Amino acid sequence: SQQGEEDPQALSIQEGENATMNCSYKTSINNLQWYRQNSGRGLVHLILIRSNEREKHSGRLRVTLDTSKKSSSLLITASRAADTASYFCATDEANSKLTFGKGITLSVRP
Amino acid sequence: SQTIHQWPATLVQPVGSPLSLECTVEGTSNPNLYWYRQAAGRGLQLLFYSVGIGQISSEVPQNLSASRPQDRQFILSSKKLLLSDSGFYLCAWSVVSGGEQYFGPGTRLTVT
Repeated sequence: SQQGEEDPQALSIQEGENATMNCSYKTSINNLQWYRQNSGRGLVHLILIRSNEREKHSGRLRVTLDTSKKSSSLLITASRAADTASYFCATDEANSKLTFGKGITLSVRP
Repeated sequence: SQTIHQWPATLVQPVGSPLSLECTVEGTSNPNLYWYRQAAGRGLQLLFYSVGIGQISSEVPQNLSASRPQDRQFILSSKKLLLSDSGFYLCAWSVVSGGEQYFGPGTRLTVT
């Protein structure tokens, strides 16, 4: 069953703008992760945020987690054409596996 | 460093034919291993995961099966493919359950 639900389903922005993507989930989690997938390729892990963390940074990426609202956001600052990809959130519910959302398609126009 | 291999990269098979997809991991020991399927424009569906040799958990009952004959080898099989088996198959590994997963390049399977 789907745990994470990303929003919006698709996002188109101009190079240099910031991109914000949201993920909501339903049950308690140990951690939440974001992945990127370029067309026709495998997923690449971007960042993991634990349930006791509220914010995490990695380069141009900023992830927030609000466990009271069961939601997370991924912010990509100063976007580049190379950021064009699908982005997935995944939640760890402490049962040996991750549950992935359906993904957000990000298009960055040069 | 760790690497994960999947083959073949693409496969076109007729309905009713058998399937064998292989995944191997290098540079780590006793990884957790996963098989996912991704339909066009959709998210990932977990098919099987394994925490050790011979230990396979099935998530979705269907005509697929998985085996782990060696520590770093994970095989996805079918005796008779269905049209609905078409999709993008991804293998992944992790150090710990619930931790970061590292994906292979995937196999595009088309059943005709």
